[in-house]
Amino acid sequence: KQEVTQIPAALSVPEGENLVLNCSFTDSAIYNLQWFRQDPGKGLTSLLLIQSSQREQTSGRLNASLDKSSGRSTLYIAASQPGDSATYLCASRGGYSTLTFGKGTMLLVSP
Amino acid sequence: GAGVSQSPRYKVAKRGQDVALRCDPISGHVSLFWYQQALGQGPEFLTYFQNEAQLDKSGLPSDRFFAERPEGSVSTLKIQRTQQEDSAVYLCASSLVSVGRMNSPLHFGNGTRLTVT
Repeated sequence: KQEVTQIPAALSVPEGENLVLNCSFTDSAIYNLQWFRQDPGKGLTSLLLIQSSQREQTSGRLNASLDKSSGRSTLYIAASQPGDSATYLCASRGGYSTLTFGKGTMLLVSP
Repeated sequence: GAGVSQSPRYKVAKRGQDVALRCDPISGHVSLFWYQQALGQGPEFLTYFQNEAQLDKSGLPSDRFFAERPEGSVSTLKIQRTQQEDSAVYLCASSLVSVGRMNSPLHFGNGTRLTVT
């Protein structure tokens, strides 16, 4: 059974810092790896999706990388802003209905 | 609609009561998923529909949980004889395309927070 782990569980940084969130998964037979953002009391917003054949994806200040062989993905956030404060979840897609989530990293960016 | 809509937003039930949670997916979306998210955890898969067909219900934790999508649009998740361990946020997600397209994004609703007392 796929297991997804996210480190750290929580992170607090001052505004303007660059930061890296880590995600690891035990089964490398995945179709893709997705990063989501979840604000308190809200659903999940998809940020980036990396297909298994890709190494990275970029959207604005966000860059996600994928190393399938080592079972790792990272989400890099450049020049962090208070509005980036949220919980970030990674999820691996192992089949048509199988999206396995980590527990998330709770990020707080202080002004 | 503009997004996935779930109702109610909050539900408090006494232990043993039955509850029904509703999900209105984005119009035209073929795939619909239900997830359960306990406090401090990531979402856990419950069940998957393609149109009106329930193709995977392997994540439903017990036979007290039942989901339907009779006309291939709105879906209802029903929990019978609720227990305290059922307390969680129940998330619904929909996707435009069907099972073969692994890389289609999922659009999530804001969830229903169920508290069983």
